[in-house]
Amino acid sequence: GAGVSQTPSNKVTEKGKYVELRCDPISGHTALYWYRQSLGQGPEFLIYFQGTGAADDSGLPNDRFFAVRPEGSVSTLKIQRTERGDSAVYLCASSLHLPPPQGTSGNHEQFFGPGTRLTVL
Amino acid sequence: GENVEQHPSTLSVQEGDSAVIKCTYSDSASNYFPWYKQELGKRPQLIIDIRSNVGEKKDQRIAVTLNKTAKHFSLHITETQPEDSAVYFCAASPRDDKIIFGKGTRLHILP
Repeated sequence: GAGVSQTPSNKVTEKGKYVELRCDPISGHTALYWYRQSLGQGPEFLIYFQGTGAADDSGLPNDRFFAVRPEGSVSTLKIQRTERGDSAVYLCASSLHLPPPQGTSGNHEQFFGPGTRLTVL
Repeated sequence: GENVEQHPSTLSVQEGDSAVIKCTYSDSASNYFPWYKQELGKRPQLIIDIRSNVGEKKDQRIAVTLNKTAKHFSLHITETQPEDSAVYFCAASPRDDKIIFGKGTRLHILP
C-alpha cells in the first residue's frame, strides 16, 4: 500500500514568509509525528498527534511553529515569519500506535515520509 | 528530558568485517530502542528494534544488545556488505510516543 507522503518535496522561501508543509500518513495510522533534520544531525522531535489532538508538542522550538490534524489523518505543519535557521528537512512519520488502555506497547514502528526540504533565503 | 549519545560519528570497516555502533541514553523510563538506517537523500527506515524487557535481539546479520543498568545499547552488523554503507541512527523512546534520536554514525564499507 501507499506509504507516508509529504508535499512539497522542496520549498524555497524568503525570510519572514509563511509556509505550510503537508503530511499524508499511512491509512489507518492513528499516530503522526513531525521531526526536523538538519544536515549531519539526527531527526529532532517536534510534535506528536494521537488522532486529532496534539499529545506532545514539547519539541516545537517557539510559537512561530504550529501543527494541526483536524480530521485525524492529514497534518499540516505551519511556520510563521520564517528565519534562515528554520532551513532543514522536515520529516513526518506515522504509526499504528494506540496507547493503553486501547492498545499495548507493542507496535511502535514509525514509518517516515520522504521529507520536505525547506530553504529560507 | 531524554538524551541519546551515539559513537562513533564515522566508522570505516573492510567489507566482510563487523561494525559496532554504541549508544547511551539518560532516561531510565525509556523502554523502546529502535535503530534506523538512512541512505543519502532518503528517508530513515527501521532496521531493528528492542524493548527494555529483552537483552538481545538478532535478525540475520544485524543484532542489538541492551544493558538497562548501564543505559547502553549497541548495534552489531556482521559480514558487512557494500549496501550497508549509510548513516545509522540509534534512538530511545521515553514514553509510548516520541522517539529521541542520536546524532548518527556514518558507516563506510571499504572494498
